[in-house]
Amino acid sequence: QVQLVQSGAEVKKPGSSVKVSCKASGGTFSSYAISWVRQAPGQGLEWMGRIIPILGIANYAQKFQGRVTITADKSTSTAYMELSSLRSEDTAVYYCARDRGIDSSGQYDYWGQGTLVTVSS
Amino acid sequence: QSALTQPASVSGSPGQSITISCTGTSSDVGGYNYVSWYQQHPGKAPKLMIYDVSNRPSGVSNRFSGSKSGNTASLTISGLQAEDEADYYCSSYTSSSTPVFGGGTKLTVL
Repeated sequence: QVQLVQSGAEVKKPGSSVKVSCKASGGTFSSYAISWVRQAPGQGLEWMGRIIPILGIANYAQKFQGRVTITADKSTSTAYMELSSLRSEDTAVYYCARDRGIDSSGQYDYWGQGTLVTVSS
Repeated sequence: QSALTQPASVSGSPGQSITISCTGTSSDVGGYNYVSWYQQHPGKAPKLMIYDVSNRPSGVSNRFSGSKSGNTASLTISGLQAEDEADYYCSSYTSSSTPVFGGGTKLTVL
């Protein structure tokens, strides 16, 4: 059974950066895309970007281009999402999620537990 | 890419059936059979309920079904149960090779 375990909650100052990790176990890490999806308080789901670990290629939602970096470490089966120039509107729960197929269709069968990032001065 | 359009809320009584719609365009819902639905209970991660428009993952009740017509996808829940009360999100692959989510629908079981 695949499990995605994320790092703990973070409190950050405006203008700073945050890096959230997502460690996978119980499955083949490299072949399936890992996406990052965020959810602001009381709001819906928002796709940020993804990486296919075996290729090391990441692509990002236009909204986050230039501010987000998604990486993966195949040796530890861990994906990372770093968001810079944080502002209060970035306060949200950040989820990692694994694509259910190697076709990277954006359909996610496994999700991390979520990481709350709070941006506050 | 604009979010897919879902009703903000739907409700139904136990045992009844409800349908949640998800409207997009020919560049997303209408153009691909990669439509999925997620159930999210408060404070929990989303759970995949339907993928590829109408397929259920192993372990998901057959009370949940999905369909698509043109640019609109639908999730139907039959035999409503109290535990079905949750937020539901649709998602579709898009012509940008990225996914887009709907705004979410709050299901209330009366």
